[in-house]
Amino acid sequence: AQSVTQLGSHVSVSEGALVLLRCNYSSSVPPYLFWYVQYPNQGLQLLLKYTTGATLVKGINGFEAEFKKSETSFHLTKPSAHMSDAAEYFCAVSGLRGSNYKLTFGKGTLLTVNP
Amino acid sequence: EAGVTQFPSHSVIEKGQTVTLRCDPISGHDNLYWYRRVMGKEIKFLLHFVKESKQDESGMPNNRFLAERTGGTYSTLKVQPAELEDSGVYFCASSQALGVNTEAFFGQGTRLTVV
Repeated sequence: AQSVTQLGSHVSVSEGALVLLRCNYSSSVPPYLFWYVQYPNQGLQLLLKYTTGATLVKGINGFEAEFKKSETSFHLTKPSAHMSDAAEYFCAVSGLRGSNYKLTFGKGTLLTVNP
Repeated sequence: EAGVTQFPSHSVIEKGQTVTLRCDPISGHDNLYWYRRVMGKEIKFLLHFVKESKQDESGMPNNRFLAERTGGTYSTLKVQPAELEDSGVYFCASSQALGVNTEAFFGQGTRLTVV
């Protein structure tokens, strides 16, 4: 079974500040991990994913995440927040090895960027 | 290219009524998924179609929910009769294949409110 915990349902940062969204997972198999973003009135969009190989994964819009097996974490970061980053972010783990579906999601973190 | 489209975007119905949600996947995508987010909770997997066949419906909450995908194109999700706890946002997603190297694209969701 899999589970995902996102620490902080709401994170607020200033424009230009570091963005850090936390995600811890539990998985009975080696995990495939994902971060999705939902902008207002839009669908979920894939930001980045970890499957195998390099543990530091780079995604779109300057975001990156690092898979740390020992900490069972997959935190999302961006060095400098932009107003357009305001959205809800979801961490997810794949329920089936080698599959992109049957994702188990966290509860989401709403990111606010202040001018 | 059109993305995943869901109809309606919002629906408000009374307890006991029937509602049908529709999802039009990206053309050529054999895999179609339904997810649901109940307010304040995680996005949860409901079921998965490959073409017109249900491959995995382990997430369907009860027999008041019926999903179909006639002809392997668009899909409908019917709730009959609707209960208050069915309120939430219903997401549809589609992908060409199941591997993690193939992205699943999400629609913007249908917000269902049962009063």
